[in-house]
Amino acid sequence: DGGITQSPKYLFRKEGQNVTLSCEQNLNHDAMYWYRQDPGQGLRLIYYSQIVNDFQKGDIAEGYSVSREKKESFPLTVTSAQKNPTAFYLCASSIRSGVGNQPQHFGDGTRLSIL
Amino acid sequence: DAKTTQPNSMESNEEEPVHLPCNHSTISGTDYIHWYRQLPSQGPEYVIHGLTSNVNNRMASLAIAEDRKSSTLILHRATLRDAAVYYCILRDHGSSNTGKLIFGQGTTLQVKP
Repeated sequence: DGGITQSPKYLFRKEGQNVTLSCEQNLNHDAMYWYRQDPGQGLRLIYYSQIVNDFQKGDIAEGYSVSREKKESFPLTVTSAQKNPTAFYLCASSIRSGVGNQPQHFGDGTRLSIL
Repeated sequence: DAKTTQPNSMESNEEEPVHLPCNHSTISGTDYIHWYRQLPSQGPEYVIHGLTSNVNNRMASLAIAEDRKSSTLILHRATLRDAAVYYCILRDHGSSNTGKLIFGQGTTLQVKP
């Protein structure tokens, strides 16, 4: 079945440590997105990529980095510069960005906590 | 980005229809109306979308007002598995936009057995 796979499901970060969250899709989608969700809140966009080897900052990119070397993969690194990383992280994809009639497909998320 | 307004919470009885309202008075002509739902500890799930005409799929129906300033998501027979937060989102159709979804607070739907 086609879909988006996020791993790990739970992740713990030590002070000063960088951690990387994995996102893989087999939907052949061009566009991929990373969102952050805090308790009781909606999702906020961290980074997005409209095509391989290209990505742009979203609304809350500080303290995060991404890469898009392959169409199916869009890993997110939470760096030590992100002082409040505890959140639920969601990866999504769509056929293309800028197409209003196409839905986004989401993974099941990674919950990141500070040790 | 155009905004949407939804009630914070709603209750329904199992097996009964549910009508979830959404106001979007500043909607533009190229905005599609999308609905997603999110179960606890899961990613959002696409439900339905539309532009001007009412839409039906296996999950729900979407009724869009003639002036497009409001819409209603209709679950025809609520089940306990429909208990979730429902988000109404406007998504612009244009090459210059990021495609990001702007999530508000959504409506928390409780379904009582």
